[in-house]
Amino acid sequence: GAGVSQSPSNKVTEKGKDVELRCDPISGHTALYWYRQSLGQGLEFLIYFQGNSAPDKSGLPSDRFSAERTGGSVSTLTIQRTQQEDSAVYLCASSLAGLAYEQYFGPGTRLTVT
Amino acid sequence: GENVEQHPSTLSVQEGDSAVIKCTYSDSASNYFPWYKQELGKGPQLIIDIRSNVGEKKDQRIAVTLNKTAKHFSLHITETQPEDSAVYFCAVSTIRGSQGNLIFGKGTKLSVKP
Repeated sequence: GAGVSQSPSNKVTEKGKDVELRCDPISGHTALYWYRQSLGQGLEFLIYFQGNSAPDKSGLPSDRFSAERTGGSVSTLTIQRTQQEDSAVYLCASSLAGLAYEQYFGPGTRLTVT
Repeated sequence: GENVEQHPSTLSVQEGDSAVIKCTYSDSASNYFPWYKQELGKGPQLIIDIRSNVGEKKDQRIAVTLNKTAKHFSLHITETQPEDSAVYFCAVSTIRGSQGNLIFGKGTKLSVKP
């Protein structure tokens, strides 16, 4: 079946602009995660959605970052007033249920802020 | 909070040799330890995981060992092949009910020379 998809695959934006990154999880997966991967670094947790529960936003680095998940499926990560340090690969993952289950990752969106 | 250290950062082996990657963690309450493989331009893929009630788990050429007392766990790849070349990440989670998230190590770039 289809895996996790993300769009766009690459995004170049000017400093100060807003960007939206999209994630389509695997159908039937109730949990969705966003991570950030900077060059040569590990994955940094950003936010976690599980069903209809309030999202765990504890990893968001600043109030310029926000995410929504509509209808328990598609998620959008929004970065407002982008800064150069926001340049990274943004990865989305989904899993069948909660945190103890295998997370399936999408290919990521490479964001470059110039 | 949890801190995950991963060593080495790069590892080069000859085809057929074994490779070992080690991770240490700080939170004794951590109870889930997955390993992910990331190929260039792709999202990470779970290759094996272990839970805190198990000391060792094996899947064909891949094995993971866990020492909860010392708070470290290791990935062992035997009979390495060129297609094993990738970046490997360990992760740690402290799952309490529906809370918790994966904390990743910084990754190990494994190169298998034919």
